[in-house]
Amino acid sequence: DSGVTQTPKHLITATGQRVTLRCSPRSGDLSVYWYQQSLDQGLQFLIQYYNGEERAKGNILERFSAQQFPDLHSELNLSSLELGDSALYFCASSVEGPTGELFFGEGSRLTVL
Amino acid sequence: AQTVTQSQPEMSVQEAETVTLSCTYDTSESDYYLFWYKQPPSRQMILVIRQEAYKQQNATENRFSVNFQKAAKSFSLKISDSQLGDAAMYFCAYRWFGNEKLTFGTGTRLTIIP
Repeated sequence: DSGVTQTPKHLITATGQRVTLRCSPRSGDLSVYWYQQSLDQGLQFLIQYYNGEERAKGNILERFSAQQFPDLHSELNLSSLELGDSALYFCASSVEGPTGELFFGEGSRLTVL
Repeated sequence: AQTVTQSQPEMSVQEAETVTLSCTYDTSESDYYLFWYKQPPSRQMILVIRQEAYKQQNATENRFSVNFQKAAKSFSLKISDSQLGDAAMYFCAYRWFGNEKLTFGTGTRLTIIP
């Protein structure tokens, strides 16, 4: 158990819909990262938040947005969903600093029909 | 931009044998970290081993060791005495010292043959 909690674990929805994925980081971790893993692909970095502020942005679509709340949990919002958005979405957290290690949640499997 | 390349989409090894997974990366930075993550069928991303670029000594964690060649920008993972539980996708990842983002390779699927 990494200490990072993601909900829901599975989500099935239709094209054009909007969903919200939730992540609770490990206790004490201020940084939260979101990654997307499409079928048989590597993990693509979407966005990072640190203590409520956006710190880095990767290949995140304009239809996607995220935020980190004062209690440090984070939400990834995906709107106007397309078939190609079907993927495994990982949240990870880390302490600040170049120690390097990210702790990953179990992921949220999104299926868009 | 930093890139990570894993040229072996799939590998297989007999149980109890040794296997080496390859990884190369491209960066202009001198201070960075390299990682191997394991993703079993449970989907959980599990850190296997970490290497700091400033350390010349190769990292070792029990049956897992790396061969880090900084000049060649190569970072291979050796798994000794392979076990059935080692079957998984293995991802190589890079992290620059001044950036907390991890860049992943596309992964190598490792099959263990009983």
